[in-house]
Amino acid sequence: DAGVTQSPTHLIKTRGQQVTLRCSPKSGHDTVSWYQQALGQGPQFIFQYYEEEERQRGNFPDRFSGHQFPNYSSELNVNALLLGDSALYLCASSSLGQGSSYNEQFFGPGTRLTVL
Amino acid sequence: AQSVTQLGSHVSVSEGALVLLRCNYSSSVPPYLFWYVQYPNQGLQLLLKYTTGATLVKGINGFEAEFKKSETSFHLTKPSAHMSDAAEYFCAVITNQGGKLIFGQGTELSVKP
Repeated sequence: DAGVTQSPTHLIKTRGQQVTLRCSPKSGHDTVSWYQQALGQGPQFIFQYYEEEERQRGNFPDRFSGHQFPNYSSELNVNALLLGDSALYLCASSSLGQGSSYNEQFFGPGTRLTVL
Repeated sequence: AQSVTQLGSHVSVSEGALVLLRCNYSSSVPPYLFWYVQYPNQGLQLLLKYTTGATLVKGINGFEAEFKKSETSFHLTKPSAHMSDAAEYFCAVITNQGGKLIFGQGTELSVKP
């Protein structure tokens, strides 16, 4: 079992550019959540995808958008990058669809985005 | 709104000493509570979780935490610190099934030889 994988591991962009980050969930999982972790801070929830739709969204601007594919993998897109978007972006997968009382989120290693 | 407060951004202990990392939460409904560990340049690994039932929860690597509703606390402890415990620790709360995790600011644990 490969666990949650993310690509790329590191990325450097300049202000105003657009970026796409990718996530493959753990085998058997159908839900993907994205978090932003700024340096020295705890992760902050961006949004969650289930059945190819955005199920929940945190307090992030519309510049942050996402997508989930039929194979449950997901992308996070950020437009018009700002210096403040520099952070570690974490993807977490879980299995909402199995009706369990609790759905543990498994985290990937993250993508380190630097905006210059 | 739910929130998590971790007291102490940095804790330093000697190898073999007790580890105590503090976490208080705010929630209007019964919470699910978690402790995650993050090693440098890595993602988050679940140490332990409280959902329902026994309030003393045992996790991996000898860590445990006790849910105290009256104190709205979920402190993490380990009787004897090991050098390999040096990492960042995050307390988190979730208040609906499958919902978003709300994290504290994190506590960096240093272990001195």
